[in-house]
Amino acid sequence: TQLLEQSPQFLSIQEGENLTVYCNSSSVFSSLQWYRQEPGEGPVLLVTVVTGGEVKKLKRLTFQFGDARKDSSLHITAAQPGDTGLYLCAGGASNTGKLIFGQGTTLQVKP
Amino acid sequence: AAGVIQSPRHLIKEKRETATLKCYPIPRHDTVYWYQQGPGQDPQFLISFYEKMQSDKGSIPDRFSAQQFSDYHSELNMSSLELGDSALYFCASRPSGTGVEGYTFGSGTRLTVV
Repeated sequence: TQLLEQSPQFLSIQEGENLTVYCNSSSVFSSLQWYRQEPGEGPVLLVTVVTGGEVKKLKRLTFQFGDARKDSSLHITAAQPGDTGLYLCAGGASNTGKLIFGQGTTLQVKP
Repeated sequence: AAGVIQSPRHLIKEKRETATLKCYPIPRHDTVYWYQQGPGQDPQFLISFYEKMQSDKGSIPDRFSAQQFSDYHSELNMSSLELGDSALYFCASRPSGTGVEGYTFGSGTRLTVV
């Protein structure tokens, strides 16, 4: 069974601080995605990484896919209160496209 | 741009009742996925359809069934509802051949069983 472990599960920081969220697995994934979810809403895709060692940047967010395609990280620089939310990593688990999600990281950025 | 439409957004049912959730994928998306997200939990895959045929099955209870229709919309039918079925139910769609890059989630249906 493929599992994704996300850490930390909760993170409360001050505005302007940097943070990193990790997503680890013992299994190889063909791709990993990062989503952000607001309460009561569906997950919104932030990025997809498909190549081992790949780094993608989205404004203040930097996403990295591990060389072995078993892990990924999300780094936020100079966090802002608007970054508050639930961040989920998800791996493509089969050729049918179903996703396996990590447990999520709840981020709170205080002004 | 058109998104994945789910209805209803909120649903309250009593134990042992039935519920039907609907999902309208993005136009030209032929693959639909259903996920269940309990309070404070990550989404769990239930079932998926490609071209109106079931393509994959996850942790979907036998009390639940689903189908995809000729216009590609999908319905999740839930019977003999239990309190533990209270959750957010998400539908996602993508066009076949795009990999997970094409995934788009709907806003979900919040089901409350009382």
